[in-house]
Amino acid sequence: EVQLVESGGGLVQPGRSLKLSCVASGFTFSNYGMNWIRQAPGKGLEWVAYISSGSSYIYYAETVKGRFTISRDNAKNTLYLQMTSLRSEDTALYYCARRGVTWFAYWGQGTLVTVSS
Amino acid sequence: DIQMTQSPSFLSASVGDRVTINCKASQNINKYLDWYQQKLGEAPKLLIYNTNSLHTAIPSRFSGSGSGTDFTLTISSLQPEDVATYFCFQHNSGWTFGGGTKLELK
Repeated sequence: EVQLVESGGGLVQPGRSLKLSCVASGFTFSNYGMNWIRQAPGKGLEWVAYISSGSSYIYYAETVKGRFTISRDNAKNTLYLQMTSLRSEDTALYYCARRGVTWFAYWGQGTLVTVSS
Repeated sequence: DIQMTQSPSFLSASVGDRVTINCKASQNINKYLDWYQQKLGEAPKLLIYNTNSLHTAIPSRFSGSGSGTDFTLTISSLQPEDVATYFCFQHNSGWTFGGGTKLELK
């Protein structure tokens, strides 16, 4: 069974940094591209970033480009999102999602990031 | 950027009803349209990918259709467990979600 477990969320002040993790199990992590997607409270979904299986291809949404960095450690079955220069509009539930038949075939349960002073 | 417009935003229907949710793209996205279901307090779940392919273990009452710019998600006979918000998502050029359709029981 595919399992994705996010962690690292919390309350952070504007301008500060935070690093999210997503631990994968139930499949060969190194074979799949991975994504981060976020959902602001009571709002819709926004794709944030993508990394290919071997980290050769990396894409970002314009809203986070230059501030967020996606990375992965295939030996640890873990996906990361390093977030810097955080803003109030980055407040959201952050999901990791695995590629499969399409871009977001399987999702984790999310970790909440709140940016507030 | 491609914009995705879902309609209606809210939908109330009875058990057994046929339900349709629409999604319109601001430009041609070919067949690259997926549908997700999000129940309250849960992560989204993939229902349909590439317009009309049913994902693993999704009941056959769900179906998708369309092409180009206009797409539809149909639930042939609404069940109580289908209460959720539904999102369309295009991946033809970039990645864009629709605003969502909240489905409730009448």
